Amino acid sequence: NAGVTQTPKFQVLKTGQSMTLQCAQDMNHEYMSWYRQDPGMGLRLIHYSVGAGITDQGEVPNGYNVSRSTTEDFPLRLLSAAPSQTSVYFCASSYAPTGSLAGETQYFGPGTRLLVL
Amino acid sequence: QQQVKQSPQSLIVQKGGISIINCAYENTAFDYFPWYQQFPGKGPALLIAIRPDVSEKKEGRFTISFNKSAKQFSLHIMDSQPGDSATYFCAARGEAAGNKLTFGGGTRVLVKP
Repeated sequence: NAGVTQTPKFQVLKTGQSMTLQCAQDMNHEYMSWYRQDPGMGLRLIHYSVGAGITDQGEVPNGYNVSRSTTEDFPLRLLSAAPSQTSVYFCASSYAPTGSLAGETQYFGPGTRLLVL
Repeated sequence: QQQVKQSPQSLIVQKGGISIINCAYENTAFDYFPWYQQFPGKGPALLIAIRPDVSEKKEGRFTISFNKSAKQFSLHIMDSQPGDSATYFCAARGEAAGNKLTFGGGTRVLVKP
């Protein structure tokens, strides 16, 4: 299994440009999430999905869109990039909580480093 | 508004020493408390996790201590090794729907040989 994969690894954008960050998982996980990581702030949830066709907002959703057409893929779209969106973006996936600790583990991808000029 | 506060921001410990990282939370509805380890250039990976009905959990050299009444939990790394040098994040889950985690700000640990 490849686990959670993310592309690209690094991207430079100009203010106002749009782009899509790709995320895919091959573990048949129902739940998928996008986080952004900024120094001193930990990881903050942007959007999440509990299954194909179902998405919802996290803590910091403004400026980002998501969709989930398949179980495997969960792309994150930046509509009009701003310097404040310079960050490292992580995608994560997990099974729906079952009550067992092991079943609730979130698996993270390697991240996409985004620089908005 | 940070619902999970983590300290210290950075920590230097000698090889063989004990690393202690503390977290405090506000939301009494949190029901799951994982710790994640992150190496430079990599994504976070689950290290150890605990539920609030248990006061301590140990896995190898890593131990979580949990104090429900104080709304605090901590990670102890015993016999710290240079390979433990990484950033550690505590987290808490407020609702199972979406398995949404709230993370602390992170602690950068450096273990000197």
